[in-house]
Amino acid sequence: EVQLLESGGGLVQPGGSLRLSCAASGFTFSGYAMTWVRQAPGKGLEWVSTINSGGGNTYYTDSVKGRFTISRDNSRNTLHLQMNSLRAEDTAVYYCAQGPAYCGGDCYSYWGQGTLVTVSS
Amino acid sequence: DIVMTQSPDSLAVSLGERATINCRSNQSVLYSSNNKNYLAWYQQKPGQPPKLLIYWASTRESGVPDRFSGSGSGTDFTLTISSLQAEDVAVYYCQQYYTTPRTFGQGTKVEI
Repeated sequence: EVQLLESGGGLVQPGGSLRLSCAASGFTFSGYAMTWVRQAPGKGLEWVSTINSGGGNTYYTDSVKGRFTISRDNSRNTLHLQMNSLRAEDTAVYYCAQGPAYCGGDCYSYWGQGTLVTVSS
Repeated sequence: DIVMTQSPDSLAVSLGERATINCRSNQSVLYSSNNKNYLAWYQQKPGQPPKLLIYWASTRESGVPDRFSGSGSGTDFTLTISSLQAEDVAVYYCQQYYTTPRTFGQGTKVEI
């Protein structure tokens, strides 16, 4: 059974940093692209970042470029999102999601339960 | 960026009736070399993560009931629930994966 378990969320002041993690199990982690999607309270879904299976290619939405870094440790089946210079508008539930090969890694068939990041003073 | 616009924002449908949700992109998400539309649909219930329903605009994800169907091509797409069940109350999102950034529609809330 595929499981994705996010951790690392919490309350942080504007300008602060957090590192999110997503522990994956039940599939060959190193064979899949992985993605972070966020959802602000009461709002819709926003794609944040994707990393390819090997970790050599990363992609970001413009609003987080230069502030967020996606990475993965295929030996530990773990996905990370390092978030620096956080802003109030980064407040959201952050989901990690797996992108299956049958849609090129870019539709998301498995999702974690999410971790809440709140940026506030 | 490709902008995805869904309509309506919300709709109320009687049990057993058809629900139709539209999604329009401001540029085509049809890749001519493979004739595939890079369009997915998701269902999100309160307090839960999204669930993939449809990919390639019309391919149902494994385990998704066949009352859910997707259609359309290019810039105009539709998600149809042929006979609404109580458990289908949710917010539905379309998403394009033709280009980066991947973008979602604003969501359509389906109620009974």
